[in-house]
Amino acid sequence: TQLLEQSPQFLSIQEGENLTVYCNSSSVFSSLQWYRQEPGEGPVLLVTVVTGGEVKKLKRLTFQFGDARKDSSLHITAAQPGDTGLYLCAGARDTGRRALTFGSGTRLQVQP
Amino acid sequence: GAGVSQSPRYKVAKRGQDVALRCDPISGHVSLFWYQQALGQGPEFLTYFQNEAQLDKSGLPSDRFFAERPEGSVSTLKIQRTQQEDSAVYLCASSPGGPRETQYFGPGTRLLVL
Repeated sequence: TQLLEQSPQFLSIQEGENLTVYCNSSSVFSSLQWYRQEPGEGPVLLVTVVTGGEVKKLKRLTFQFGDARKDSSLHITAAQPGDTGLYLCAGARDTGRRALTFGSGTRLQVQP
Repeated sequence: GAGVSQSPRYKVAKRGQDVALRCDPISGHVSLFWYQQALGQGPEFLTYFQNEAQLDKSGLPSDRFFAERPEGSVSTLKIQRTQQEDSAVYLCASSPGGPRETQYFGPGTRLLVL
């Protein structure tokens, strides 16, 4: 059972378009991370957000953590073919448990 | 290398066979995690070590799954009497050990049980 729901599951867009990926939960997380995973590789961390309402920017990527720390979004501006991959959100909880809870992922394909 | 390495990268097993998957974490990393990633899904937690101590094994799906890290560095995930539903990518991650620290993932072992 995935505690984190991601939407959309699949996204195919043209180069230059903007997109937003959502990560939602009914649970509160102490921090939330976004990863990108390419075929045959492990997830690579993009960003960690910790404070409710926090916004972080990484070049063309903007990450936001919801005020209640239950949801997050990833916005990509002017997508490029190199952005193609599986985007995963993962939450850590303040229960002392170190394990990350991952969403089911959003598979993004950017067509040139 | 500086990253987490896993071996083998691919493993094909016949149903009922035992398999052993190896993880070499980043040198000096205290924490080590195993995750299972089914096709088209996000990773799901299996187990967690702090040094040689297995502190959380709540994600292991059955008693056929066993993990160890006897010297606090290399870890092995063993699956006994493999079944088709065990087919997945098994990911290992390590972190320096403090709270809220980044987990660095290896490339995974893709297991196919026929």
